[in-house]
Amino acid sequence: AAGVIQSPRHLIKEKRETATLKCYPIPRHDTVYWYQQGPGQDPQFLISFYEKMQSDKGSIPDRFSAQQFSDYHSELNMSSLELGDSALYFCASSTYGTYYGYTFGSGTRLTVV
Amino acid sequence: DAKTTQPNSMESNEEEPVHLPCNHSTISGTDYIHWYRQLPSQGPEYVIHGLTSNVNNRMASLAIAEDRKSSTLILHRATLRDAAVYYCILRLQMNRDDKIIFGKGTRLHILP
Repeated sequence: AAGVIQSPRHLIKEKRETATLKCYPIPRHDTVYWYQQGPGQDPQFLISFYEKMQSDKGSIPDRFSAQQFSDYHSELNMSSLELGDSALYFCASSTYGTYYGYTFGSGTRLTVV
Repeated sequence: DAKTTQPNSMESNEEEPVHLPCNHSTISGTDYIHWYRQLPSQGPEYVIHGLTSNVNNRMASLAIAEDRKSSTLILHRATLRDAAVYYCILRLQMNRDDKIIFGKGTRLHILP
C-alpha cells in the first residue's frame, strides 16, 4: 500500500540558510500534519492543512511557513535556520472527519551546522 | 485539554504478553482513546483506537475501563520488534481543530 512520502530523507544546512521539506500524502487523504521531533523529545505539532487551507497551527516559529498544493502534497519552508532547528520533521496524512489513525512518513532529518 | 498519564518505561520478556497502562481521569464523553507507537528512527505508527468497548486488531488489543478513566494496550506476544515508545492519546470527536498531541509515552524494552 502507498505510504506517506517525505523528501529529502536527510538534509544538512548551515545557519541562516533556508530549507524546504516536502510531503506527499496517501492518495485520497485530504489532510496533512507536520510535526517536529527534537533529540530525545516527543513529536510536537507544527501545523496542519485540510483541503489546501491551513486548519490548525501549533508551536511553529514565524520563520517557518507551509502550504498544501492542489495535488495535496505539502511543503514546509524554513528560513533563517538556527542550530535548534535540527530535528526530525514528520509529515502525516489522514482523511478529515474519520477516526482512523494518521499515517506518518519516515521523516526528514534536518541538521543545521 | 484532557491529559493522559503513562509509565515512563516498562520491560517485558520476549514472547510474553505486555500490558501498557494509561490513565485519563479527565476524559470527556466524546474523546476517543488512540494508541500510537514509535520505533527507533521511524515515524509514529497508529496501533489501535476505541471509544467505550474493547477493541482488537492484528497488532494489539485495547481494554477500556467501564468508567473510561483508564485503558490498557495489550500486546499478546511481544517480540523484539515491539520495542518502541507507546503513546496513549485522546482525540475529540468531530472537532475541526482535531490533531494528535503527543505526550510522554512509555518506552517499552523487550528482553530476549
